[in-house]
Amino acid sequence: KAGVTQTPRYLIKTRGQQVTLSCSPISGHRSVSWYQQTPGQGLQFLFEYFSETQRNKGNFPGRFSGRQFSNSRSEMNVSTLELGDSALYLCASSPRSQSSSYEQYFGPGTRLTVT
Amino acid sequence: ELKVEQNPLFLSMQEGKNYTIYCNYSTTSDRLYWYRQDPGKSLESLFVLLSNGAVKQEGRLMASLDTKARLSTLHITAAVHDLSATYFCAVDMFEGYQLIWGAGTKLIIKP
Repeated sequence: KAGVTQTPRYLIKTRGQQVTLSCSPISGHRSVSWYQQTPGQGLQFLFEYFSETQRNKGNFPGRFSGRQFSNSRSEMNVSTLELGDSALYLCASSPRSQSSSYEQYFGPGTRLTVT
Repeated sequence: ELKVEQNPLFLSMQEGKNYTIYCNYSTTSDRLYWYRQDPGKSLESLFVLLSNGAVKQEGRLMASLDTKARLSTLHITAAVHDLSATYFCAVDMFEGYQLIWGAGTKLIIKP
């Protein structure tokens, strides 16, 4: 079974620009979560989608948004980029069923650098 | 607000030694996870602990969960260099569908 894939893997943007990151979950997984990882703040939850609905959102400004499509693929968008948005963005998928213990499987991440 | 604290944050040890990483969390939760991250890489799932008293072992790593004490431990037995990595614990918010992470323990195992 193919794992979680994220594109692009690396991205360099300029302050003020916007960016869209993509995540394809493991086949059959309906839940997709996004996390931001930085050296200073560690791993922080951004949002979680299940069957195209955002069920939970972390403490991030409205510049961070996401969506999920009917095939469970997800995108996240960051508008008006700031230097502090430089981070590794990780996507995780989960079947979200008791039999799976809700375990999350992570993709390789997108390394975003804002200059 | 749920907080997850790991200690130590940094650990340098010799091969062959035993050590334990601790993960404390501040409120009731029903699921705790341990992940490994190698430099520049993503997160690899190690253990999923679902109930009080749960113990899981894989090779030289053993994880346990005490929900009453709100404490999980990751024990390393006879460490080898290949176990050098950063280890994270994460707690699943009850019905919140999100993981709250510890700061990570950077483990360096010297030959």
